[in-house]
Amino acid sequence: GQNIDQPTEMTATEGAIVQINCTYQTSGFNGLFWYQQHAGEAPTFLSYNVLDGLEEKGRFSSFLSRSKGYSYLLLKELQMKDSASYLCAVKNSGYALNFGKGTSLLVTP
Amino acid sequence: DGGITQSPKYLFRKEGQNVTLSCEQNLNHDAMYWYRQDPGQGLRLIYYSQIVNDFQKGDIAEGYSVSREKKESFPLTVTSAQKNPTAFYLCASSIGGGTEQFFGPGTRLTVL
Repeated sequence: GQNIDQPTEMTATEGAIVQINCTYQTSGFNGLFWYQQHAGEAPTFLSYNVLDGLEEKGRFSSFLSRSKGYSYLLLKELQMKDSASYLCAVKNSGYALNFGKGTSLLVTP
Repeated sequence: DGGITQSPKYLFRKEGQNVTLSCEQNLNHDAMYWYRQDPGQGLRLIYYSQIVNDFQKGDIAEGYSVSREKKESFPLTVTSAQKNPTAFYLCASSIGGGTEQFFGPGTRLTVL
């Protein structure tokens, strides 16, 4: 079985930094993905972590601690267009991904 | 341009009718997936296929059926046995298991 937890909603100010956390419990772990999804649209890939540590990609960074079952997505220099849902997904020993319920981020002026 | 297409974007059907959602990809990916998304919920896996002529049930396969006769195509049929079919349906594909999944634009199905 698998349990993935993310905060339901977050609000942050344009230009600021926000951290979205994801905790998971899984019987086998083979990587963690972060996706961005704007309302009514398809999710788009942001990052992938399989080893402990920080992966940086422009304004977005993702961190993983396998021993703690914990990841976070860090968004810097927030822009209004960053208002979206952010989905944490874990791959276990199976073939497909298991998604959390997503975190809805609202960026305010 | 490579990508995944789903059609139609919006679909309405009467209760008791079967309906088939289309998913096509030209990325030459072996694996394809169908997810369902309800408001405030994450993506839940309906079916997936690792290779042509093979597919496996996901977490919520009841009331759905699929086929994988061609590598490029993975249609999903929502049958009348699905008790609550109104949802946003997303198709995805990947090179293989465990790699990045690319998503289609989705089909929003409403049962009247």
